[in-house]
Amino acid sequence: QSVLTQPPSASGTPGQRVTISCSGSSSNIGTNYVYWYQQLPGTAPKLLIYRNNQRPSGVPDRFSGSKSGTSASLAISGLRSEDEADYYCATWDDSLSGVVFGGGTKLTVL
Amino acid sequence: EVQLVESGGGLVKPGGSLRLSCAASRFTFSNAWMNWVRQAPGKGLEWVGRIKSKTDGGTTDYAAPVKGRFTMSRDDSKNTLYLQMNSLKTEDTGVYYCTTGSSGWGYWGQGTLVTVSS
Repeated sequence: QSVLTQPPSASGTPGQRVTISCSGSSSNIGTNYVYWYQQLPGTAPKLLIYRNNQRPSGVPDRFSGSKSGTSASLAISGLRSEDEADYYCATWDDSLSGVVFGGGTKLTVL
Repeated sequence: EVQLVESGGGLVKPGGSLRLSCAASRFTFSNAWMNWVRQAPGKGLEWVGRIKSKTDGGTTDYAAPVKGRFTMSRDDSKNTLYLQMNSLKTEDTGVYYCTTGSSGWGYWGQGTLVTVSS
């Protein structure tokens, strides 16, 4: 069982907006930055969002991150078929003294 | 472009040992904090551990499931990160990635597969 809680699946149709939640606690999300990673099938993860809401260069502005209290969210607008992937949130946990991941959310584009 | 290339994976019996390597290039490896992340077949990502740069103390931190069995080290003269894995268990099976980045882990290797099975 993961320290951070994500829904196992999400779906949407092309052009729609979907959000993926990530729930934690005061020792992790509540006090540290949240990062989001996208993993396409058979490939290494890719950094999508850093420091809660910052996008690395090259990541489309269709992807956005937010954080409030002990929860964070990833929003994808203008959904495209190539967005079909697994998405993971991650942060540092002060109690565990380590990085923790969410269990991952499999996004399906219908 | 930054490159990370893992090697050393393979099939090992429970209780055995394996050493993974991650060869880094096209960035200042000695300044980087390096991490290992693994992924069991069909499962999610799991942080294994990190090693800080020598200028930041060179210390290591490990996830609870591997603490006392795995050891991370680095050779800055060879731009290489290592993961020594001892007392391997079947649950250590998976793809092992090395990763780094200054604001989030923007750089990942392709991964190396470790299979622990009798």
